[in-house]
Amino acid sequence: GQQVMQIPQYQHVQEGEDFTTYCNSSTTLSNIQWYKQRPGGHPVFLIQLVKSGEVKKQKRLTFQFGEAKKNSSLHITATQTTDVGTYFCAGHSGGGADGLTFGKGTHLIIQP
Amino acid sequence: DGGITQSPKYLFRKEGQNVTLSCEQNLNHDAMYWYRQDPGQGLRLIYYSQIVNDFQKGDIAEGYSVSREKKESFPLTVTSAQKNPTAFYLCASRRGPDHTEAFFGQGTRLTVV
Repeated sequence: GQQVMQIPQYQHVQEGEDFTTYCNSSTTLSNIQWYKQRPGGHPVFLIQLVKSGEVKKQKRLTFQFGEAKKNSSLHITATQTTDVGTYFCAGHSGGGADGLTFGKGTHLIIQP
Repeated sequence: DGGITQSPKYLFRKEGQNVTLSCEQNLNHDAMYWYRQDPGQGLRLIYYSQIVNDFQKGDIAEGYSVSREKKESFPLTVTSAQKNPTAFYLCASRRGPDHTEAFFGQGTRLTVV
């Protein structure tokens, strides 16, 4: 079945440093979504990428979808303490199948 | 407010007992999902339903059962056959498959005592 690998599992950064998490799928994806889960909370949708090579920005967050639609990345510029949490990618293979396949997430820990 | 509601937030169960987790949504979404979250494991799909009276097994369905008698409701039963039920359970809904975001409930933390 489809697998979505996400690295790194944990990332410690100093406040103000940049952060990147990477997501790789074993199969071609029809789209990929990113979610953020704050400590003790539930996942909240951030963005969806659909097109090959697509790049989207949300303030300090930059999302990319690979040309082959098998990988994606989330980059945060100049991290702030409010960025703390776990970032998940979720791939959808399409073709009538359902149920987003989530990566294991990257836990972002920020040291002030 | 429209949303998805899970109850209870915390649940304790004795070994050998079945327990049912509630999930209700008023978003008029067709698709609903149950995920299990364990530390370091991310979200694993238990069951999903795309339409009333129909549901499909996910990756880790053994020891769980669901029903979808109403569009708004998708309860999950954790049976005594589930060997390691202590976990954080998340319910989600989507307007439909493909290209739509998932909305998650607050989660239910189940502990077997």
